[in-house]
Amino acid sequence: NAGVMQNPRHLVRRRGQEARLRCSPMKGHSHVYWYRQLPEEGLKFMVYLQKENIIDESGMPKERFSAEFPKEGPSILRIQQVVRGDSAAYFCASSPRVGTANYGYTFGSGTRLTVV
Amino acid sequence: DQQVKQNSPSLSVQEGRISILNCDYTNSMFDYFLWYKKYPAEGPTFLISISSIKDKNEDGRFTVFLNKSAKHLSLHIVPSQPGDSAVYFCAASAIGRGGGSNYKLTFGKGTLLTVNP
Repeated sequence: NAGVMQNPRHLVRRRGQEARLRCSPMKGHSHVYWYRQLPEEGLKFMVYLQKENIIDESGMPKERFSAEFPKEGPSILRIQQVVRGDSAAYFCASSPRVGTANYGYTFGSGTRLTVV
Repeated sequence: DQQVKQNSPSLSVQEGRISILNCDYTNSMFDYFLWYKKYPAEGPTFLISISSIKDKNEDGRFTVFLNKSAKHLSLHIVPSQPGDSAVYFCAASAIGRGGGSNYKLTFGKGTLLTVNP
């Protein structure tokens, strides 16, 4: 019974390149949440997706960032034209239904993005 | 605008003693509070939570206390063990607009706990 799987674990990109981060939720989970942790900071909510729908992207930067959760396959967080300030750890969590924040989400191990 | 604050970046205790991690919040709409534990290069792991209608919740060596009037909560670990050494995040969630389901967690910056043998 695999947990939330994120890949790659580490990603190095040059400024201006694109970064694609993948998240496979736990089996039976159709709700996915992305969080970002900047150095010396706590985790910050970015986006909440259900299959084929973006429910809340209020935490996403307005430009260069996008997310999707297709009917088949993992959720993808895409960062275009990366800049040094995008260097952070990106975590994904999943849940079987909405409104379960109170019970503690299961997070993946994260993708550490480094922009050089 | 830090709605959840953990003012101690680090804490060091001796094995067997009590660890007390503190957290303050400013948003009165928060109705659930959670503690997560995080080891280096891993994702946060849920530890324990408490509803705003309670003032205490206990699970084994871990107890969370909530003081709503002071907008303060604390996590007590007794007895502390070297394996407890990790970063501890306080998080909170609020009922969505219109009473809808909550899904968004607001995290503090974390406290690094070191338990010395």
